[in-house]
Amino acid sequence: AQTVTQSQPEMSVQEAETVTLSCTYDTSESDYYLFWYKQPPSRQMILVIRQEAYKQQNATENRFSVNFQKAAKSFSLKISDSQLGDAAMYFCAYRSAKYGGSQGNLIFGKGTKLSVKP
Amino acid sequence: DSGVTQTPKHLITATGQRVTLRCSPRSGDLSVYWYQQSLDQGLQFLIQYYNGEERAKGNILERFSAQQFPDLHSELNLSSLELGDSALYFCASSVDGTGLDEQFFGPGTRLTVL
Repeated sequence: AQTVTQSQPEMSVQEAETVTLSCTYDTSESDYYLFWYKQPPSRQMILVIRQEAYKQQNATENRFSVNFQKAAKSFSLKISDSQLGDAAMYFCAYRSAKYGGSQGNLIFGKGTKLSVKP
Repeated sequence: DSGVTQTPKHLITATGQRVTLRCSPRSGDLSVYWYQQSLDQGLQFLIQYYNGEERAKGNILERFSAQQFPDLHSELNLSSLELGDSALYFCASSVDGTGLDEQFFGPGTRLTVL
C-alpha cells in the first residue's frame, strides 16, 4: 500500500521569505501523480500544484514550485515570496495512475501547518 | 468556489443516531468521492462513485454507506454514530472515474457526535 509522510507538523516563515515543505512517499508503482493541497482556516481544500511522475521537469505555479525526486520518492513544495494568505495547512497527496480498483482516490499525508509572520 | 456543494455545513447529533450528508458535484462531473478528516486519522478516502455505481472503497466502516443518484448527487449515510465519528466529511468530484483528472473539493460537513 502507498503511504505519504510529512515530517514537519509545523513550519514558520517570515513574510516575503521562502519556505520549503517536505513530503516523502512510498510506492511500488512507476506511474502516479503527486499533489499539494492547501487548507486555510475556512477548511476548503484547494489544489496548489500537481506533478505527473513520468515528467522529469518540476511543476511550477506562480510562487509555488516543487522539487520532485523520483528515485528518492521525495516531493517538496517551495513557496517563494511568502504572503500572509499562504498561512494554512498543507497536505501532500498521492494518486495512482493505474486504471481500476482504488486508482482514483487520493492518499494524504498528515499535513504541515504553515504560519506566516508579518 | 469549487462548484461542489455540501449540505449541511454543520451537524450535531447524539451517539447511536443516524445522519445523512449530501453532496452535489460540479456540473458535468460524473465521479464523486467521499473523504473523512479527523484529528486521529487525518484525511482518509472512504468511497467513490461513478455515474451511479460504486467504483472504489477505502476505509469505510460497515455502519457507513453511500449512494449516487441518477441526477449524480450523492449521499453518505452514517448510522449507529459513535464519538469517534466526529469529523469533517468532504465530498469531491471529477469529470470521469478514471482518476486521472483533478478532484474538486466541496466545503465539507462538520459532524459532531455528543
